[in-house]
Amino acid sequence: EIVMTQSPATLSVSPGERATLSCRASQSVSSNLAWYQQKPGQAPRLLIYGASTRATGISARFSGTGSGTEFTLTISSLQSEDFGVYCCQQYNNWPLTFGGGTKVEIK
Amino acid sequence: QVQLQQWGAGLLKPSETLSLTCAVYGGSFSNYYWTWIRQPPGKGLEWIGEINHSETTNYNPSLKSRVTASVDTSKNQFSLRLSSVTAADTAVYYCARGPVGATRGLIDYWGQGTLVTVSS
Repeated sequence: EIVMTQSPATLSVSPGERATLSCRASQSVSSNLAWYQQKPGQAPRLLIYGASTRATGISARFSGTGSGTEFTLTISSLQSEDFGVYCCQQYNNWPLTFGGGTKVEIK
Repeated sequence: QVQLQQWGAGLLKPSETLSLTCAVYGGSFSNYYWTWIRQPPGKGLEWIGEINHSETTNYNPSLKSRVTASVDTSKNQFSLRLSSVTAADTAVYYCARGPVGATRGLIDYWGQGTLVTVSS
């Protein structure tokens, strides 16, 4: 199975600052990579798919780049509602696998 | 507006069978894979398996021997059974929807989650 590794585990960011989150796959997943946001007690919400396509209703503050094994999620100017856990998921191979998550917290 | 509403027993004893059902409201039932994902407390997400309206299934090899997914197209519902549970199966279980086609494997809608605790 493909192992997804996210870094850093925790990111402390001040409101208005940029946040950059990384996701690495143990083998190529092409562009079949999604990012989700999860807040405490809630289900994940799809942000990005195809490595760089924003899901419906997702703010342009969120952008994704990468292909193959290296991916990045950037939040250009953090708002209060953006704090939470972000995880990546590959859907190139089965079983589908997720990264362990990056917690974005208020600095 | 697509909604997934799930239910099932939240407390099980070791060796019992976990049983969850998810009802789908809105959208097509036929053009998707219906998926189960779990998240142990404080840990990451784990894909359990999926089923489509034709009852084609795929399971995580790590759980395959204990997992059964089923679907009731007359009610737009799908279900999960996980046998012989242990404490390691304690998690929030999510039902979810995955499109077919070019984004096959993506998860675009999630249920609210059900905490299942396994304890004697």
